Amino acid sequence: AQSVSQHNHHVILSEAASLELGCNYSYGGTVNLFWYVQYPGQHLQLLLKYFSGDPLVKGIKGFEAEFIKSKFSFNLRKPSVQWSDTAEYFCALSVADRGSTLGRLYFGRGTQLTVWP
Amino acid sequence: DTGVSQNPRHKITKRGQNVTFRCDPISEHNRLYWYRQTLGQGPEFLTYFQNEAQLEKSRLLSDRFSAERPKGSFSTLEIQRTEQGDSAMYLCASSFSNRVRRNTEAFFGQGTRLTVV
Repeated sequence: AQSVSQHNHHVILSEAASLELGCNYSYGGTVNLFWYVQYPGQHLQLLLKYFSGDPLVKGIKGFEAEFIKSKFSFNLRKPSVQWSDTAEYFCALSVADRGSTLGRLYFGRGTQLTVWP
Repeated sequence: DTGVSQNPRHKITKRGQNVTFRCDPISEHNRLYWYRQTLGQGPEFLTYFQNEAQLEKSRLLSDRFSAERPKGSFSTLEIQRTEQGDSAMYLCASSFSNRVRRNTEAFFGQGTRLTVV
């Protein structure tokens, strides 16, 4: 069965610090991988996604993630965080189903990032 | 706003009462998903529709839960005889998928927060 693990439940950083959030998944076949962000009081928004091709994926707001198939990992990175990055971050995976490239999403439990100004 | 819309945003109900939530997806999207999110956890899949057909239901979806998407547009999620364990955020997401046009993103609504007292 598919599953996603996020190792850090709460990360606290100062502005300008570098960020790396871990994400590992369990699935033997082809996966599509996502990072979603949820700002306080807002809906889940897509940060970036990996379907195929270059394993280094760039997303919005300066975020990037690297898919390492041999490690079943898809870690999220940002070289310099801002106070406005304070939010909850979810890693998710999907597998193709019923002819569609995007099926249901399997989420990790999330990482709360707090950035101090 | 032409995103995914969910109503109501908040619902407080007494144990044993029935509740119904509504989701209006992005208009051209043929897939509609329901997820449930409890505190400290990532969203968990409940069920999804392609057009009006309910294609998959999670084992989380007990027989007190029922979802419909009668005309392939909006969807309703009903919980009968609510229990305190049903307290959660109920999220709706939509996407467009077919064999010709690849869709690579699910868009989420802001959710309905249910509190059962």
